Amino acid sequence: QQQVKQSPQSLIVQKGGISIINCAYENTAFDYFPWYQQFPGKGPALLIAIRPDVSEKKEGRFTISFNKSAKQFSLHIMDSQPGDSATYFCAATKETSGSRLTFGEGTQLTVNP
Amino acid sequence: NAGVTQTPKFQVLKTGQSMTLQCAQDMNHEYMSWYRQDPGMGLRLIHYSVGAGITDQGEVPNGYNVSRSTTEDFPLRLLSAAPSQTSVYFCASRGIEMMNTEAFFGQGTRLTVV
Repeated sequence: QQQVKQSPQSLIVQKGGISIINCAYENTAFDYFPWYQQFPGKGPALLIAIRPDVSEKKEGRFTISFNKSAKQFSLHIMDSQPGDSATYFCAATKETSGSRLTFGEGTQLTVNP
Repeated sequence: NAGVTQTPKFQVLKTGQSMTLQCAQDMNHEYMSWYRQDPGMGLRLIHYSVGAGITDQGEVPNGYNVSRSTTEDFPLRLLSAAPSQTSVYFCASRGIEMMNTEAFFGQGTRLTVV
């Protein structure tokens, strides 16, 4: 049973456009929500993360929006670049649970030049 | 700084064979875990450890064993490989500090069971 649902499965945007990936979670005990970026043949790498005490976090072109009441969070990539082409995973965890992450299904992002 | 190192990178097994996937980290992290990645399913937790000598099951533990005799190493054992275990396996580690929540992943082991 997938506790974190992610959409869309794939996304194609033009260079300079905005990429938006959405996630929804079920477990209200989750208190840390990271996004991971994965390039082919590599392991996932942390991109940006948020805790539920804030509704938005921005790092450069990447922004997480968080809606605690709706149990939803999303990743926005502004001014998308071809180098952003990768698979993106949202995840959720309870910080005291160690490295036990619950992942979404993943979104394959392609940014066309 | 090597981070999380997994070996081998690729492996082909015949059904019924056994093997051990190795994972080592040099960051003195207490928390380590194993995930498998399958298309359309994200990463699913197999087993995890909160410290040397302590392990527990994750979401999909059947067919896999783990042990943690040292802080650095967390091997994953397949006792009798099945085609359903064809997947990409990732090991991850994380520090114990509450604000040090980034999990670091290895490069993965691509396993094919024929």
